[in-house]
Amino acid sequence: QKEVEQDPGPLSVPEGAIVSLNCTYSNSAFQYFMWYRQYSRKGPELLMYTYSSGNKEDGRFTAQVDKSSKYISLFIRDSQPSDSATYLCAGDLLYNQGGKLIFGQGTELSVKP
Amino acid sequence: DVKVTQSSRYLVKRTGEKVFLECVQDMDHENMFWYRQDPGLGLRLIYFSYDVKMKEKGDIPEGYSVSREKKERFSLILESASTNQTSMYLCASSLLGDRAYEQYFGPGTRLTVT
Repeated sequence: QKEVEQDPGPLSVPEGAIVSLNCTYSNSAFQYFMWYRQYSRKGPELLMYTYSSGNKEDGRFTAQVDKSSKYISLFIRDSQPSDSATYLCAGDLLYNQGGKLIFGQGTELSVKP
Repeated sequence: DVKVTQSSRYLVKRTGEKVFLECVQDMDHENMFWYRQDPGLGLRLIYFSYDVKMKEKGDIPEGYSVSREKKERFSLILESASTNQTSMYLCASSLLGDRAYEQYFGPGTRLTVT
């Protein structure tokens, strides 16, 4: 079983829709939870992060973590064609001298005009 | 502006060749990482390094080695390339400590082994 599971999609929605992207994880040691966005033919870039459980909002994006059910979510309101990308969730196994992130498989999102 | 560069965008090599992939970052980051990305499997960590001359195995180190002689440069070496190493290779870097979750990625190298 992968430590972070994510439905690879693809997911196609009309412009203006609310998008919900979800991940489950198995490692209780995770403290930070990240969403990275990857446009076609580019490297991933950090979109949002959350420390421990709770919600975090940034413009049209909301990240949510429920540690009791080991569930990670990203909501996109009023989705735009420019949101079309692959979204990767990740948890951390970080320590003072380095560590690593564990990524899900990524969900490919397409927002149609 | 933060920058991670990789030596090639596309590379074609033959089975059995020794392959070098180079990554350079200009942000004075301590951490550097090599991943491969395959459809349906996502990003998988090959090796990482938190300091010069230090290296740690990731989840799939078999068939690969790394070198970090300078802080800004991290090289991935395929000692004898095989067709199952055809993939997209991504390099990343990050700070140590509280911001270590923020990794900066290069554009990737698409390697084809024939």
